[in-house]
Amino acid sequence: DAGVIQSPRHEVTEMGQEVTLRCKPISGHDYLFWYRQTMMRGLELLIYFNNNVPIDDSGMPEDRFSAKMPNASFSTLKIQPSEPRDSAVYFCASSSSMSSYNEQFFGPGTRLTVL
Amino acid sequence: DQQVKQNSPSLSVQEGRISILNCDYTNSMFDYFLWYKKYPAEGPTFLISISSIKDKNEDGRFTVFLNKSAKHLSLHIVPSQPGDSAVYFCAATNPGGKLIFGQGTELSVKP
Repeated sequence: DAGVIQSPRHEVTEMGQEVTLRCKPISGHDYLFWYRQTMMRGLELLIYFNNNVPIDDSGMPEDRFSAKMPNASFSTLKIQPSEPRDSAVYFCASSSSMSSYNEQFFGPGTRLTVL
Repeated sequence: DQQVKQNSPSLSVQEGRISILNCDYTNSMFDYFLWYKKYPAEGPTFLISISSIKDKNEDGRFTVFLNKSAKHLSLHIVPSQPGDSAVYFCAATNPGGKLIFGQGTELSVKP
């Protein structure tokens, strides 16, 4: 299995532009998570999906952020308009369940820089 | 409000010595604790975990200790190797299964 795939790996954009991050979870995993990594707060959960349905988006920072999962093999995280404070590494992860001890598998991340 | 805290951003250890990474949490409802390891330009990968009903779990060179009364856990790596150099994230799960991560500690093991 190729693991969780994210694209692009790096994104540099200007303030005000729309940014779309993409994720392909591991086949057969029913849960998909979007995280943001910053130095100050570490890894923060933004939103997660179960069977393509958003379950908890309480971590989404603002209305500028939105996420979709149109099918079991694809999800997007969109920021519109982007701001310099959105600069961070964004990770997608997937897992087969939400049990407490269940491992989440992370993609390599997208490093976003907003100028 | 940071429910899981790793107060040491970095740690440097000599090869062969013990590395001790610390983590504190505030929520007594957490029922599972995990450590993830992250190399540069890669995503975090699961390393070791411990249930809240235990106080120790060992896997090879890695041991996690849990002190529930102090709301503190630690990861011991013995002996430390240069390949252990990475960022280590402490995480906890609530009964709903959501992972709450700390800020991470960057470990550097010097030859």
